[in-house]
Amino acid sequence: DAGVIQSPRHEVTEMGQEVTLRCKPISGHDYLFWYRQTMMRGLELLIYFNNNVPIDDSGMPEDRFSAKMPNASFSTLKIQPSEPRDSAVYFCASTTGAGGMNTEAFFGQGTRLTVV
Amino acid sequence: KQEVTQIPAALSVPEGENLVLNCSFTDSAIYNLQWFRQDPGKGLTSLLLIQSSQREQTSGRLNASLDKSSGRSTLYIAASQPGDSATYLCAVTGGSYIPTFGRGTSLIVHP
Repeated sequence: DAGVIQSPRHEVTEMGQEVTLRCKPISGHDYLFWYRQTMMRGLELLIYFNNNVPIDDSGMPEDRFSAKMPNASFSTLKIQPSEPRDSAVYFCASTTGAGGMNTEAFFGQGTRLTVV
Repeated sequence: KQEVTQIPAALSVPEGENLVLNCSFTDSAIYNLQWFRQDPGKGLTSLLLIQSSQREQTSGRLNASLDKSSGRSTLYIAASQPGDSATYLCAVTGGSYIPTFGRGTSLIVHP
């Protein structure tokens, strides 16, 4: 497996524009997480899915943020409209609950978002 | 709510030193603890995973220990090298399967 794949790797956009980040989890993983990483706050969980269903989106900062998982192999995180304070690195991770105590999280390479 | 703390926040050591990074967590009801490495501008690479029933895990020059009852883990790096320079993050996972992260320890190993 190629691991968790995120695209794009870098995104520069103007304030007010819509931004869509994409993630392909590892095949067979039934949990998918979206994190945001900033210098000020470290890694924050935004939302997570189990079997394509959003379970907890309490970390989503505002209504401008939305996430979907239409199938087991694809998820998107959308910001509309984007603002400069959204600039951060966004990570997607996946894992399988079947692992029990051996459950290991795998991370993508991240999308570095810059909103100017 | 699980909280994870890593100490020190930053560390600078000369090459060859043995060093210890610390991670503490508030809720001991965990499934496992993972140590990650993050190079500047890169993603997270998993280094070691310790199940809650285990006391330690080893991989090469790295050794991670876990004391679940006291809510502590340490990552021991033997004979540090400049290539070990990176940020080291620990994450604990409980029954919800959500990894909760500390802020990391930024390590610089200078020649």
